[in-house]
Amino acid sequence: DTTVKQNPRYKLARVGKPVNLICSQTMNHDTMYWYQKKPNQAPKLLLFYYDKILNREADTFEKFQSSRPNNSFCSLYIGSAGLEYSAMYLCASSRPRDWGYEQYFGPGTRLTVL
Amino acid sequence: AQSVTQPDARVTVSEGASLQLRCKYSSSVTPYLFWYVQYPRQGLQLLLKYYSGDPVVQGVNGFEAEFSKSNSSFHLRKASVHWSDSAVYFCAPPRTGGLSGKLTFGEGTQVTVIS
Repeated sequence: DTTVKQNPRYKLARVGKPVNLICSQTMNHDTMYWYQKKPNQAPKLLLFYYDKILNREADTFEKFQSSRPNNSFCSLYIGSAGLEYSAMYLCASSRPRDWGYEQYFGPGTRLTVL
Repeated sequence: AQSVTQPDARVTVSEGASLQLRCKYSSSVTPYLFWYVQYPRQGLQLLLKYYSGDPVVQGVNGFEAEFSKSNSSFHLRKASVHWSDSAVYFCAPPRTGGLSGKLTFGEGTQVTVIS
């Protein structure tokens, strides 16, 4: 089973309110990623977990937080949503040391901030 | 750092016609290379991958891609497109350095298949 699941599929949030997105995988992948995808743009890597170690991209360091309570689950947390956070959020997982760089993606969560 | 260029933002092609999407990457090191596809309202799906060996790799749904080290390219093609091939296609080589598995995505090519 190469399924990555994301919840919810659609999220409506108010400006200034927190947002929490969930991702899960059962492939025993050690690395999980979160991307932000806006129309007509490339997916933008926000952060990734290698095992229990969180790595956040420099230009989004303060905007997103994440947690990984166990190998299968990973969340993306926005403390105070702004209009600019409206986007598709994609979760992916991989096991780069064993299988190279192939990433498996979930269906995405479409976040709309009003 | 690795960079990738997909020079065609949008391509319109007739059903049954051939399709070629271009991808060029910057690294001088032969990397792994991937093509991903995003269908409307869905996440990204792996179309095909190149690790080593035969420069022509086969993917799903009749797609293939050809790696060229001399041209630093990894072009995608399909002999005869179907309306269901309408989607956005992303070329993705890994970022150089480290074992994080991070990919660098091109900006994508929007393919529209018309009847």
